Amino acid sequence: QSVLTQPPSASGTPGQRVTISCSGSSSNIGSNTVNWYQQLPGTAPKLLIYSNNQRPSGVPDRFSGSKSGTSASLAISGLQSEDETDYYCAAWDDSLSGYVFGTGTKVTVL
Amino acid sequence: QVQLVQSGAEVKKPGASVNISCKASGYTFTIYYMHWVRQAPGQGLEWLGIINSSSGSTNHAQKFQGRVTMTRDTSTSTVYMELNSLRSDDTAVYFCARGLYCSGGSCPDYWGQGTLVTVSS
Repeated sequence: QSVLTQPPSASGTPGQRVTISCSGSSSNIGSNTVNWYQQLPGTAPKLLIYSNNQRPSGVPDRFSGSKSGTSASLAISGLQSEDETDYYCAAWDDSLSGYVFGTGTKVTVL
Repeated sequence: QVQLVQSGAEVKKPGASVNISCKASGYTFTIYYMHWVRQAPGQGLEWLGIINSSSGSTNHAQKFQGRVTMTRDTSTSTVYMELNSLRSDDTAVYFCARGLYCSGGSCPDYWGQGTLVTVSS
């Protein structure tokens, strides 16, 4: 029932760059800004990127976000072992008048 | 610092109701919205709804219309979420999350620790 589509998995070796895509529609990503959350096992999600490409204080600059049309991407540069976890994109949806999440992507560090 | 502290785990029987609290501190409660999000075991994040902490107005995902009630107590900076007519597929961890104003509406930034609700006969 997720409105935003992400690949179920992504992987890379330490130091590599990994990119996660997030596909939506004109009523969500096409109209509003995108946020990204990181969720470590057994913990609450943590805001990683807001307003498409802004990092909250304390988030390493290895994480970056971008948006084009109805799609968005999260990039992790210089992949580290502690980056191995789940990532979700999200945005406000004007048609649903609610917040919608992506399907989630599990990043594995090989 | 911003903190959202939720009430403890609950075990409920099918058909019952559950009420979860979320006490906020470290910021001006009435300036921000509060979202409720849940996560079933091994699944993704699902948005339930949002409450305006100042006015008390709410908006819910269509899926939960008629089953979810969100309220707030400004005197204690606490929001509550009640979900009734519980089913086994309501078993999940329920999170409250502070809502910033963002493009289109409101977007969660800080999250509570989560409350596990188990529905089982």
